[in-house]
Amino acid sequence: QQQVKQSPQSLIVQKGGISIINCAYENTAFDYFPWYQQFPGKGPALLIAIRPDVSEKKEGRFTISFNKSAKQFSLHIMDSQPGDSATYFCAASILTGGGNKLTFGTGTQLKVEL
Amino acid sequence: DAGVIQSPRHEVTEMGQEVTLRCKPISGHDYLFWYRQTMMRGLELLIYFNNNVPIDDSGMPEDRFSAKMPNASFSTLKIQPSEPRDSAVYFCASSSAPGQGSFEQYFGPGTRLTVT
Repeated sequence: QQQVKQSPQSLIVQKGGISIINCAYENTAFDYFPWYQQFPGKGPALLIAIRPDVSEKKEGRFTISFNKSAKQFSLHIMDSQPGDSATYFCAASILTGGGNKLTFGTGTQLKVEL
Repeated sequence: DAGVIQSPRHEVTEMGQEVTLRCKPISGHDYLFWYRQTMMRGLELLIYFNNNVPIDDSGMPEDRFSAKMPNASFSTLKIQPSEPRDSAVYFCASSSAPGQGSFEQYFGPGTRLTVT
C-alpha cells in the first residue's frame, strides 16, 4: 500500500514538445505529492509539489495534474528543453502527525533532443 | 547556507570493512533522512530523525547498518561489515517541520559507495 508506481521508465521528447510522466498510488492517506528532479551526480531537488485539495498546480513550464478519485498524478513539462534532460521522481507522503516520510516512484529518465 | 553537506563524496572499500558516512544538515532543520539509491531498487528511505531522535528505521536493511545523530548538526550512517551489495549512492536530506510551512526535503550531493 506504500508503493508509488511511475511510468514511463524512460522518455525521449523533441525540443519544444510536451513531456508527460505519470504516477499512481494506493494509500489514500497520502496527502503530499512532490516531484523531484535529479541530474547526474547530484542529489534530487524539489521541482513542484501538490496537496490533494487542488487538481492542478502550475509553476512556469511545469504542471502537476492530480486526480484524487483515480489516485493518480502526473507531471507535464511544456516546451521541453535540452536542459530538462534529467531523471524525474514522483513521491508521496503523509504529512499529518508530523514528519515527511517520502515514498518515491522508480524514476523516469527524460531526454530532450534538439 | 551551504546546503546539506555529505562526506566523503566517494568511498571505495573492501568487503568486511567498516564504512562511515557523514552528514551535516541545513542549520535549523528538525528532520534528517538517510536514503539509498540503486538502479535496482531506486530511492529507498533507510531511517529518519526528528530533533536528533530516530523516528522510523524500518528501511534499514539489516543489523549491519546503524545510524546516529549525536547533535542537531551531525549524523552518521555506519555499515559494519560492508558487503558488495551495499554498493550504492547514499543521500542525506533534511527538512524543517511540516508545521512550519515548508515540506521540502533538501538533499545532499550523496556519497557513492563501492564495496569490492
